Amino acid sequence: NAGVMQNPRHLVRRRGQEARLRCSPMKGHSHVYWYRQLPEEGLKFMVYLQKENIIDESGMPKERFSAEFPKEGPSILRIQQVVRGDSAAYFCASSPQTGQPQHFGDGTRLSIL
Amino acid sequence: ILNVEQSPQSLHVQEGDSTNFTCSFPSSNFYALHWYRWETAKSPEALFVMTLNGDEKKKGRISATLNTKEGYSYLYIKGSQPEDSATYLCASQDNYGQNFVFGPGTRLSVLP
Repeated sequence: NAGVMQNPRHLVRRRGQEARLRCSPMKGHSHVYWYRQLPEEGLKFMVYLQKENIIDESGMPKERFSAEFPKEGPSILRIQQVVRGDSAAYFCASSPQTGQPQHFGDGTRLSIL
Repeated sequence: ILNVEQSPQSLHVQEGDSTNFTCSFPSSNFYALHWYRWETAKSPEALFVMTLNGDEKKKGRISATLNTKEGYSYLYIKGSQPEDSATYLCASQDNYGQNFVFGPGTRLSVLP
């Protein structure tokens, strides 16, 4: 049973470009969470999704960031017009239902040139 | 918005010592408290999820307790080993089951 898969592991973008981060949850998990770890900081909640629904996006910046979890395929975190401050590690986690332990992917390290 | 605190920020112990650290969280609207172990260059690994006041969970040499009335949880490690060196994170979830807030972590180093 494969764990949470995130890709790419490392992503380099120039300022103004778009970044797309993918997360495939564990089999049987319909709840997906995205977290961001800025340099020298801890994990910060961004968004919580179930299939086709955003449940809580209180941690998402108001502009340029969006997330989806379609019926088919992975969850996508999209950052438009990236800026230097978006450089961070982005972790995805999944769980079978809320309140259950979350299983984390290995993260995507985003670097903005 | 939840505010989750952990102490101490970092801890150095000798191999064989037992140790413990604290997670404090708002007790209102509490739903669940999670503990994770996060080794450098890896992803966080779930240790425990606790929901009931007075809960006590154990996994090998690691155990945790929960007090939801006063808003704290302790994590204990008995007979620390070098492989226990990691950052231990707690995360609190509110009773809507949605907002999930991590503490800053306690960085444990076990010296051989």
